[in-house]
Amino acid sequence: DADVTQTPRNRITKTGKRIMLECSQTKGHDRMYWYRQDPGLGLRLIYYSFDVKDINKGEISDGYSVSRQAQAKFSLSLESAIPNQTALYFCATSGNDRGRNYGYTFGSGTRLTVV
Amino acid sequence: GENVEQHPSTLSVQEGDSAVIKCTYSDSASNYFPWYKQELGKGPQLIIDIRSNVGEKKDQRIAVTLNKTAKHFSLHITETQPEDSAVYFCAATDYNFNKFYFGSGTKLNVKP
Repeated sequence: DADVTQTPRNRITKTGKRIMLECSQTKGHDRMYWYRQDPGLGLRLIYYSFDVKDINKGEISDGYSVSRQAQAKFSLSLESAIPNQTALYFCATSGNDRGRNYGYTFGSGTRLTVV
Repeated sequence: GENVEQHPSTLSVQEGDSAVIKCTYSDSASNYFPWYKQELGKGPQLIIDIRSNVGEKKDQRIAVTLNKTAKHFSLHITETQPEDSAVYFCAATDYNFNKFYFGSGTKLNVKP
């Protein structure tokens, strides 16, 4: 099983609909992140969480919300989807491995299309 | 906050040639610099990283160099192979590892 699992892998939804993207991890990391990837724009941070009671906005949080249900679960919601939220969404975790901090572990991504 | 710039945005090389991707950063507090490879349809994967206490690190055909004074770091891939074709991202963070700041990515195409 993957260390970071995202569901669904692909989703097409209509404008105005509410949609939730889910992320779960088996890394045991405290820190979890949601990124959005658009062509030519790299990876932009939406929200991040350092533990269950900690939620922080990233650089592009408008139109999104998150929930950290447990250490291993971090979900991203689009309350009312709009076409310019069509993108590839990645969940990532970060933490201490073998006594050192390392770069993110990413999930495989969710491709979201809003029509 | 930190600003990471990455060049070039696209790079095409012949199989067997070397490829170099360069990144600059703005925050002198940054001290950890990972590189990620993203293959089509997959999430980015960490391929090599460097911490500020060293100037160079190698792992088989890939190497990363860091110049703290100039605030730039580079990824070097030697003897490129078609399977090296992917999008590569650089990133920077400080010792807290709170947030990673990413470059905009380089699409590497290795022609057989």
